[in-house]
This record gives sequence, C-alpha cells and structure tokens, in this order.
Amino acid sequence: EVQLVESGGGLVQPGGSLRLSCTASGFDFNSYWMTWVRQAPGMGLEWVANINPDASDRSYVPSLKGRFTISRDNARNSLYLQINGLRDEDTAIYYCARHYNWNFDYWGQGALVTVSS
Amino acid sequence: QSALTQPRSVSGSPGQSVTISCTGTSSDVGAYTYVSWYQQHPGKAPKLVIFDVNKRPSGVPDRFSGSKSGNTASLTISGLQADDEADYYCCSFAGGYIFYVFGTGTTVTVL
Repeated sequence: EVQLVESGGGLVQPGGSLRLSCTASGFDFNSYWMTWVRQAPGMGLEWVANINPDASDRSYVPSLKGRFTISRDNARNSLYLQINGLRDEDTAIYYCARHYNWNFDYWGQGALVTVSS
Repeated sequence: QSALTQPRSVSGSPGQSVTISCTGTSSDVGAYTYVSWYQQHPGKAPKLVIFDVNKRPSGVPDRFSGSKSGNTASLTISGLQADDEADYYCCSFAGGYIFYVFGTGTTVTVL
C-alpha cells in the first residue's frame, strides 16, 4: 500500500525557517517524481514544487522560488521542503504527493504550518 | 499565472448528474492533455479521480468522467451519491515556467 506521511509542521514566527519531511512507503520511491502542494485555510490548492527521481531537476512556482527548496534522500525514502523567511501567507497545510506522469496519484495527509508571532 | 476558473458550487439530487467546468487559457488547459481532477472531503487529503483529461484511476467509479474542449475542461458525476459531496479541483500542466495550475475549486452538494 502506497503511503506518504508528512511531518515537521508547527507554529513558526515570521521570518523563521522550517523543514517539512515526507516519508514514503509501499512503492519504489527512487523511481518517481515527487511534488509539494499547499492549501491555505479555507482556500484552494496551490502547486509549490517538484523534483525528479535523482534530484537533478527541481522546479518551483515562480512566486515562491528563492525561499523554498525541495530535496530528497532516496536512501531514506524521504522528500523534504525547506522554507526560509516565512511569511503570514505561508500559513497552510502542506501536502506531498507522488507524480503519475503529469498528475498526482497519491497524497499524504498533510502537515500544518502556522506562521504567527 | 491565475488559477483556473471553476464555478463556486454545483448541486444535484441523488441519482442526477452534475458537470463542473474548468476554464483556463491556451497556455494551460488548451495546450495540453494533462488535465486532472481531485476530490477533497472536509479535513482530508485530495484524491485523484480523473487524469489526462478523461482517464479514471483504478478504483474510481465510472460515474466520474472527464472531457475537454478548447480551453475548458469538464468533470461530470453521474448517478450522484451522498459520498460525492465534496470539493473538486481541476489541475492542468502549464509548461516549463508555471508548471502546474489548479482550479479555484467547486463544492458539490447532494440535495
């Protein structure tokens, strides 16, 4: 059974940093593109970033590039999202998801990041 | 890049059909056959129900169907059931700068 479990969310002060993790199981993690999607409270979904299997290709939504860094550790079956310079508008649930070609076929349960002083 | 445009809400009685539209541009929906739809129940993660415009993942009932014409994609739910009550989001690949854009989301209510 494919499982994706996010961790690392929490309350962070504006300007702070956070690293989210996503641990995968039930499939060959080394072979899949992976992605991060976020959802602000009561709002819609927003694609954030993705990464190819060997981490040689990473893409970001233009508005977030520079503060967000996606990475992975295939030996640990783990995906990461480093967020620096956190802003109020970064408050959201962050989901990791597996790519199936140009779609997202499995999602984690999400990690809540709250930016507040 | 703006979000794809979806109606805020649609509703139908059990057994009826509802259709949700997803309007983009010639740079996203109109340019690629990579439109997907996601169902999200309150407090839950999204679930893929349609991919590549009109394909269903294993386990998704054939009551769910997708189509596309020009810059507008559509999701139709036939034989509406109580469990179909959820938020639905479309998503399109948008090329090598924006990459992926989601729709604004539609709440389906089963009357």
